[in-house]
Parts: sequence; structure tokens; C-alpha cells
Amino acid sequence: EAQVTQNPRYLITVTGKKLTVTCSQNMNHEYMSWYRQDPGLGLRQIYYSMNVEVTDKGDVPEGYKVSRKEKRNFPLILESPSPNQTSLYFCASSLWAGGHEQYFGPGTRLTVT
Amino acid sequence: KNEVEQSPQNLTAQEGEFITINCSYSVGISALHWLQQHPGGGIVSLFMLSSGKKKHGRLIATINIQEKHSSLHITASHPRDSAVYICAVRGNYGGATNKLIFGTGTLLAVQP
Repeated sequence: EAQVTQNPRYLITVTGKKLTVTCSQNMNHEYMSWYRQDPGLGLRQIYYSMNVEVTDKGDVPEGYKVSRKEKRNFPLILESPSPNQTSLYFCASSLWAGGHEQYFGPGTRLTVT
Repeated sequence: KNEVEQSPQNLTAQEGEFITINCSYSVGISALHWLQQHPGGGIVSLFMLSSGKKKHGRLIATINIQEKHSSLHITASHPRDSAVYICAVRGNYGGATNKLIFGTGTLLAVQP
């Protein structure tokens, strides 16, 4: 089954404790992206990747890191999480960046206390 | 002003009604997406269009590039259509071609 998976689905952590949210797709997609969703603000792009070893900042990259060492995986790293990073996070992938349907992961609800 | 505006923000309908959700954008685009997010959070892509009209079951999406406007129609609405509907555009200039810009969504509740 074609899908995007994220882990964990739910995470409660404390300020400053490094964490990684994993994202994996099995569709051989070139393009992957991370979004955060906050009430009243909608979805905002954090980082995206056009291909292996090619990543770029989205609209809200501060406090986040990503890597794309393999085509299928695109982990989101919070080196020192802060409460303002409490949010619902979605990973997505598509065949190419432009003009292709996006497939979303199930979401990761992160709470930073 | 947001680059992508949706209206209405909230919509309550009776089962069977015809529903229209609107999306206006202020940038040049290469594609527009309609997404559906059910309670519980999962996001599903409904349509991607760059011109004209697309239909899938009871859902119809239209776009007018000159007017920078798109509509999502639901015919014979059903309570299972209750969800947040999100419009997103991909720009056609520079780095914007690699990113989606989202509207804040329309919360639809269809009552039986």
C-alpha cells in the first residue's frame, strides 16, 4: 500500500530534550516536505527536499533541522525543543515538486512542556 | 493579507444541501490543491488542478486562473463530508514553485 508513515504519532517531551520525528514513504517520490499546523494559522511549511541530499527552508524553519540521506526517509530533528514548537506536524511527499498530488502522513502531535 | 484566503471559515449545512467553498489567491500559481482533513487529523488530497474543472463522485472543483479563484462544490452533502477543507497553491515564480501556500481552512459540519 502506498503510504507515508510518521513516528511517533504522539509525543510529550520537555524543553531542551532533543527529539527526532521520522518520516518514510514507499512511493519512490523525489519531493518530501514537513509542515506544522497550528490553530488559526493553518499549515505552514518547515523544510522541504527536492531529492536526496537536497533540502531547503520553508516558511518557518527556525528551531528545526532535516536530512535526506535516502530517498524514502526525511526525518525532522528538534535539537532543543521549546514550548512554541508544540504543534501538529505532517510529513508529505509527491512525485516531483511541481504540479503533483501530495500524500500526507498521519501526523505527529508534539507537546513540549 | 494572506496569499490564500478561504471563505467561509465555518459552514453548517443540512444533509442533502449543495455546498460551495471558495478560495482566492493573490500570487501566480502553477497548481491549486484541495485537501480534506477529518477530525483526528489525517489529510487527504482531493484535487489538484491548474485549469478548468475536475469531478470526483459528489465533489467538483473549478478554477478560474484569470480571476485567481477556485471553488469546491459538494453535491448532496452527507454527514460524513464533515471535515476541514483546505485550499493550497503552488507558486509559479522562483522558489515558490517548490512550496505550497495554504489557506486556513473551512470547517464544514453537515447535520443529518
